[in-house]
Amino acid sequence: EDKVVQSPLSLVVHEGDTVTLNCSYEVTNFRSLLWYKQEKKAPTFLFMLTSSGIEKKSGRLSSILDKKELFSILNITATQTGDSAVYLCAVSQLTSGTYKYIFGTGTRLKVLA
Amino acid sequence: DTGVSQDPRHKITKRGQNVTFRCDPISEHNRLYWYRQTLGQGPEFLTYFQNEAQLEKSRLLSDRFSAERPKGSFSTLEIQRTEQGDSAMYLCASSFPTYEQYFGPGTRLTVT
Repeated sequence: EDKVVQSPLSLVVHEGDTVTLNCSYEVTNFRSLLWYKQEKKAPTFLFMLTSSGIEKKSGRLSSILDKKELFSILNITATQTGDSAVYLCAVSQLTSGTYKYIFGTGTRLKVLA
Repeated sequence: DTGVSQDPRHKITKRGQNVTFRCDPISEHNRLYWYRQTLGQGPEFLTYFQNEAQLEKSRLLSDRFSAERPKGSFSTLEIQRTEQGDSAMYLCASSFPTYEQYFGPGTRLTVT
């Protein structure tokens, strides 16, 4: 069965800390891995990763994919209270011309002032 | 606003009633997805359209659920004979051409 597992489930840090969120997957016909940030509303897109070892970076956030070991990490440096959210990892698979996305349960991050 | 929109944002209904939700995707996106999300869980795939064709439907979706996308533009999701277990956030997302999905604000359904 296809699955996406995120760890830790929740995390509490102080402003300025660096955090690493993990996403491992077992998905057939893998196409890409995506990270989303979800506050009290719909998920907002952060990164899409398709190739191993190439870091994607946006401000204080960065992510990398390891297709051999089947995992990805999302790093957030110098955390701020505005980073408090649920971070979702999703994997897209292509089967018979159909793209489907499988989501993990998310990591709930709380950043304390 | 050129993002994905959903209507209504909130719906409270009594058990046994039918409800219909609407999603308007980003105009150039030909792929449209419906998800259900409950508290503490990630979005769970329900169904997927490419243009007007419904290409996949989750086996978790009972016969009470139906979705349409006439003319390949907006989509509707209907739930017949609602049950309390249907209470959730229903999310719509669209994508094209680089395949990252963009989500709408969701419709929160409460079945009493």
